[in-house]
Amino acid sequence: GQQLNQSPQSMFIQEGEDVSMNCTSSSIFNTWLWYKQDPGEGPVLLIALYKAGELTSNGRLTAQFGITRKDSFLNISASIPSDVGIYFCAGQPNFGNEKLTFGTGTRLTIIP
Amino acid sequence: KAGVTQTPRYLIKTRGQQVTLSCSPISGHRSVSWYQQTPGQGLQFLFEYFSETQRNKGNFPGRFSGRQFSNSRSEMNVSTLELGDSALYLCASSYFAQNTEAFFGQGTRLTVV
Repeated sequence: GQQLNQSPQSMFIQEGEDVSMNCTSSSIFNTWLWYKQDPGEGPVLLIALYKAGELTSNGRLTAQFGITRKDSFLNISASIPSDVGIYFCAGQPNFGNEKLTFGTGTRLTIIP
Repeated sequence: KAGVTQTPRYLIKTRGQQVTLSCSPISGHRSVSWYQQTPGQGLQFLFEYFSETQRNKGNFPGRFSGRQFSNSRSEMNVSTLELGDSALYLCASSYFAQNTEAFFGQGTRLTVV
C-alpha cells in the first residue's frame, strides 16, 4: 500500500535539544496528522492539520501543513525524556480515498 | 470518557487456527478502523466500519475480515493463521467517517507460532 516518506528514520539527541522531522508524499493530502507511539501502546494523536500553510502548536510541539499539500513538518522544542518514542505522520488523500496513510515513523531517543 | 478498548491485549495462536479480536470505540464514535503494525511494514490499513457498514478496505487477503455491531463495537477475524500474521493489531475510532482524528486503542499483540 501507499506510504508516506518520513525522515529521519531515527534521531539520537540530548535532553534540551530541539527536534525536527518531516513527511513527504508524491500525492496531495488534505489532512495531515501527527501521532506518537510509546512501546507497547497505540499511537496517540498529537496534532491535526487541515489547511495548507497551517501552523499549529500543542505545548512544545509545532506542526505545519506544507503549502504544496505534499509535506508536513513536526518540531519539538527543548526535548525532555518523556518525548522518547516513535512519531508517525499520517495523511488523508485528496482523491476520494478516505483511508489514512501512515508514514514509516521516526524513532526518537534521548541520550543521557 | 473511556478510550478505545481492545481485547485481548496478547494472544498466541498456532498456524492454521483462526482468531477474533475485539474493539470497543470511544462512546459516541461510530467509525472503527483496523490496522496491522509490523516492524517491516509499519502501519497498514485493514478496513473501516461506519454504522455497521464496511466503508473501506485495505490490500489484505480475504482471510482478514471484520464486522461492526449496532453499538459500534467491532470485531476482526483472521482465519487460517500464518506466521506472517504476527503483528500488533490496532483499532482506531472516530466520530465521523473518513477516519479523521482517529483515536487508537492499545492494540492486540498477536503471535503466531
